[in-house]
Amino acid sequence: DAGITQSPRHKVTETGTPVTLRCHQTENHRYMYWYRQDPGHGLRLIHYSYGVKDTDKGEVSDGYSVSRSKTEDFLLTLESATSSQTSVYFCAISAGPLYNEQFFGPGTRLTVL
Amino acid sequence: DQQVKQNSPSLSVQEGRISILNCDYTNSMFDYFLWYKKYPAEGPTFLISISSIKDKNEDGRFTVFLNKSAKHLSLHIVPSQPGDSAVYFCAASAIQGAQKLVFGQGTRLTINP
Repeated sequence: DAGITQSPRHKVTETGTPVTLRCHQTENHRYMYWYRQDPGHGLRLIHYSYGVKDTDKGEVSDGYSVSRSKTEDFLLTLESATSSQTSVYFCAISAGPLYNEQFFGPGTRLTVL
Repeated sequence: DQQVKQNSPSLSVQEGRISILNCDYTNSMFDYFLWYKKYPAEGPTFLISISSIKDKNEDGRFTVFLNKSAKHLSLHIVPSQPGDSAVYFCAASAIQGAQKLVFGQGTRLTINP
């Protein structure tokens, strides 16, 4: 158990509404990640963070922004949600000797109507 | 461009037999490979990994084989058990850098009694 929680676990919202998902970790991990999982695509990296206030884009970053003001929290924001952002969102942290092993939170299921 | 591919969306195996899940990659910069297991409504769980300096890594019933020349890896589960029924994702990364993972699309494994 990597001590990762995500909130909310489920959310239904309407197109054009801003949405923020929260990832919280308790073990002071440096690297944090946001992925989305869609059928036929596996998991795709949205944004990641390598420290407080240090973030970078992933493969599918359009329409998403992130913030990390504290080590333990990594926020994902959809500024204006669209139906194409309906997905399951997973947060992860890196651990292991080379930080190559990632451990995932339980996920947030987001539906945009 | 799908850099990591799992060409079998599903696989059905009898309990007690060997399950073999396959994964191909195209990016020669990848030098670390991982397998994850995912149950419905849960986050992916790390199973086993292998670095490019090895061609085999074993952990209990799970063995991962890496064929660098073919850019192919496989996960063997012996013997298969009903609790192994899940979606399996392979993932790849380059050890140098921000430890970003690229995932395959996943293979749904069903173990039949």
